[in-house]
Amino acid sequence: ETGVTQTPRHLVMGMTNKKSLKCEQHLGHNAMYWYKQSAKKPLELMFVYNFKEQTENNSVPSRFSPECPNSSHLFLHLHTLQPEDSALYLCASSQDEGEGYGYTFGSGTRLTVV
Amino acid sequence: DAKTTQPPSMDCAEGRAANLPCNHSTISGNEYVYWYRQIHSQGPQYIIHGLKNNETNEMASLIITEDRKSSTLILPHATLRDTAVYYCIVSSISNDYKLSFGAGTTVTVRA
Repeated sequence: ETGVTQTPRHLVMGMTNKKSLKCEQHLGHNAMYWYKQSAKKPLELMFVYNFKEQTENNSVPSRFSPECPNSSHLFLHLHTLQPEDSALYLCASSQDEGEGYGYTFGSGTRLTVV
Repeated sequence: DAKTTQPPSMDCAEGRAANLPCNHSTISGNEYVYWYRQIHSQGPQYIIHGLKNNETNEMASLIITEDRKSSTLILPHATLRDTAVYYCIVSSISNDYKLSFGAGTTVTVRA
């Protein structure tokens, strides 16, 4: 365990389903991140939250909707996904936005869209 | 941010030092060099970072050339558990030190 917990570890969903990914950290970090890792592609930064406020959205389609109710929890709400959205979704946290050495990653949620 | 170039893969023998190169010829003066690794089916793990000086911690050593255009990550005694994808990343305050991952180097440690 790294201190960043992601649930579920695996998720299979149909294209018409709605599901949510959860990320939780109790490291006292103020910044949280969502990354997407598709097969044979580098990690892509999706969203950044700092002190619960979204500070970055890297042109992510609206079928991905993040939510950060407090500095310890981050959600990624999914609806009407496409098969190409199948990927490993990784959550990370750091003390503050602006500390590249201090990222702690979770183990990810392996998402399959059918 | 400066881009980095890493070899796509390399093998090394268990118990020997593994030297992982990274080129970052367009690095600017305020950009740090970070190394992370990702073991299969896990999230990336921080290894080490530096600006100008060589750095060492319990996991690895980082050697940065004087002109800062390249660096080498050294795993002093590679073990089978060091088999992973290693990422060399440069970042600076201009983008809040966000990490942008490339393809990395797939390192396979062989017994």
